[in-house]
Amino acid sequence: QPVLTQPPSSSASPGESARLTCTLPSDINVGSYNIYWYQQKPGSPPRYLLYYYSDSDKGQGSGVPSRFSGSKDASANTGILLISGLQSEDEADYYCMIWPSIWVFGGGTKLTVL
Amino acid sequence: EVQLVESGGGLVQPGGSLRLSCAASGFTVSSNYMSWVRQAPGKGLEWVSVIYSGGSTYYADSVKGRFTISRHNSKNTLYLQMNSLRAEDTAVYYCARGDYGGNSEPYFDYWGQGTLVTVSS
Repeated sequence: QPVLTQPPSSSASPGESARLTCTLPSDINVGSYNIYWYQQKPGSPPRYLLYYYSDSDKGQGSGVPSRFSGSKDASANTGILLISGLQSEDEADYYCMIWPSIWVFGGGTKLTVL
Repeated sequence: EVQLVESGGGLVQPGGSLRLSCAASGFTVSSNYMSWVRQAPGKGLEWVSVIYSGGSTYYADSVKGRFTISRHNSKNTLYLQMNSLRAEDTAVYYCARGDYGGNSEPYFDYWGQGTLVTVSS
């Protein structure tokens, strides 16, 4: 089972942008997969945010603000979640996911809005 | 409105059994694929099992042979029968509805609130 690597924690100030990464193992090409992102607040289930495959193939979850966006860094084999205009309510755990025939989640990043 | 409500969690001894239920509303369970995803205390998410609309089922290696996923179409309910439970199965178990995103890749769009399973003597 592949392992998706996410930094355990990240922090940024309100109004700034947060860039959360999800690095795929070297034997899985990020360019071949949708990268899905979920947000989870304490005591709540995960909430689907968006998926990103390419600039022409991406999707936003229902009701998810446009300040949440996805991208990829092919050189680093990494999926990226960008949150612009950070708000206090964005403080949460964020998980990436791919589907290489089974569902695989990253370990999650705890985002703190200072 | 899509709603998923899990039940059936609780405290069980190692080696014991438990059956989780997930009552769905706002859509038809048999028309979508449905999964169970678990989260150990303070840990990340782990996919457990899936049942596709056609009835095919698949399991994570960690639960294969011990867990069984099923659904009752007329009750619009998903189940997870868990046998031979181990301490490492302790987690919040979420049921999740599946949908297909770009490139027809499956993902989970709606999640229930979860039910806690604790395996301990």
